[in-house]
Amino acid sequence: EAGVAQSPRYKIIEKRQSVAFWCNPISGHATLYWYQQILGQGPKLLIQFQNNGVVDDSQLPKDRFSAERLKGVDSTLKIQPAKLEDSAVYLCASSFIWTQGDTGELFFGEGSRLTVL
Amino acid sequence: AQSVTQPDIHITVSEGASLELRCNYSYGATPYLFWYVQSPGQGLQLLLKYFSGDTLVQGIKGFEAEFKRSQSSFNLRKPSVHWSDAAEYFCAVDTGGFKTIFGAGTRLFVKA
Repeated sequence: EAGVAQSPRYKIIEKRQSVAFWCNPISGHATLYWYQQILGQGPKLLIQFQNNGVVDDSQLPKDRFSAERLKGVDSTLKIQPAKLEDSAVYLCASSFIWTQGDTGELFFGEGSRLTVL
Repeated sequence: AQSVTQPDIHITVSEGASLELRCNYSYGATPYLFWYVQSPGQGLQLLLKYFSGDTLVQGIKGFEAEFKRSQSSFNLRKPSVHWSDAAEYFCAVDTGGFKTIFGAGTRLFVKA
């Protein structure tokens, strides 16, 4: 079974430029998450999709970050314009829809490391 | 607000020695609890999870964790550490609505 795919693995840009990250979740996983992991910190949830609808984007800096999940499968996370503090690893994760009596394991991609100069 | 605290930023243990990583959570009800491991340059992988039943749960790679409601803790243990266990370990809590929040992580160093 193929895992969560992310690209690019690495990206270096200058501040005020834009960048986009792509994620393809595990087939059949309805829920997709984007996390931001700053060096030395735990992952922080940016946005959560259920199929192609947004469940939670309360921590997404909407003035510069945007995300979409077309047709409930692939997702793209965009940053425009980037700031120095956006330097981080952006992790995509997916999971099944939780059913009563079970828990949802998150399956993570390898991440996209962004450096903003 | 819900939170997860991992008090130890890093821990060093000798190969073959036992390991315990601490995790405390703040949440009104009994949450779903997880431990994930992250090796350098890789994504996170689930080690084990707790949602109900036996408070001692077994995971992959010889790890186990014990849920203690009275202490709001979910500590991770391993009886004998191997050099390949060196990685970063994250405790996580699902607070409902399929939303998982993570602690800051504990980096494990293993010395020969």
